[in-house]
Amino acid sequence: AQSVTQLDSQVPVFEEAPVELRCNYSSSVSVYLFWYVQYPNQGLQLLLKYLSGSTLVKGINGFEAEFNKSQTSFHLRKPSVHISDTAEYFCAVQEGDSNYQLIWGAGTKLIIKP
Amino acid sequence: DAGVIQSPRHEVTEMGQEVTLRCKPISGHNSLFWYRQTMMRGLELLIYFNNNVPIDDSGMPEDRFSAKMPNASFSTLKIQPSEPRDSAVYFCASRATGGNSPLHFGNGTRLTVT
Repeated sequence: AQSVTQLDSQVPVFEEAPVELRCNYSSSVSVYLFWYVQYPNQGLQLLLKYLSGSTLVKGINGFEAEFNKSQTSFHLRKPSVHISDTAEYFCAVQEGDSNYQLIWGAGTKLIIKP
Repeated sequence: DAGVIQSPRHEVTEMGQEVTLRCKPISGHNSLFWYRQTMMRGLELLIYFNNNVPIDDSGMPEDRFSAKMPNASFSTLKIQPSEPRDSAVYFCASRATGGNSPLHFGNGTRLTVT
C-alpha cells in the first residue's frame, strides 16, 4: 500500500453511543488489513484483521470492520462504546504474503464522554 | 504465553550516553521488528529481523543506532551516543511464520534523553 489514511485524529463520542473510525488505503494489489488498539502506556494489540473471505470481520471487545474493495476502505465500528474503549486505534495494511512491511495510519484517538 | 517482553520500561539518560534497549520475542516467532513512536512521526519501522538475520535496516536513523539479534529469544537496540531527538517510545514486536500473521507488541521503552 502506498498510504493509509485515517482522516480523524480524534473522535469524541458519548458513552453507549455508536462509533465509526475511518480508514482508507491506496494500493494496486491485494492487501491484508488490520486494526490495532493502543491503550495508554501500552503496546499495540490486534483488534481484528481481514485476510480474505467475508468482508465483515468481527474482532475483540465488540468491534467489527467492513472491507470495501471498491472504496478501498476498512472502517471500524462499534454499536455501543464503553469508557474502557478510550484508546488510540491504528489501521494498517500489508500488501501480500511476501511483503513483511505494514503501512500504518496516523491513528485515531477515541475519546469517550461520560 | 508471557508476550513480548521489553526492558527497561523507562530510561532517562543524558545526551552522549549509550542506551541499550532489550527485547524478548514470543517463543516460536521467527520475525522481529523494532519500531519508534513519536507524536510527530507516528510509528516508524527501524529494523526487521527474520530468523535472527537483519533483513531491512533502512529505517535506522543513522549510524548511532544499531540492533542485534544473537539468538531467537533476544534482541537489542543500541543508541550511541544518544541525543535529545532520540526521545521516543521504542517498541519491539514479533510475528509467527506466515505472511499474514499479526504483530505482537511489547509494552515499549519510553526513552528520555536530556
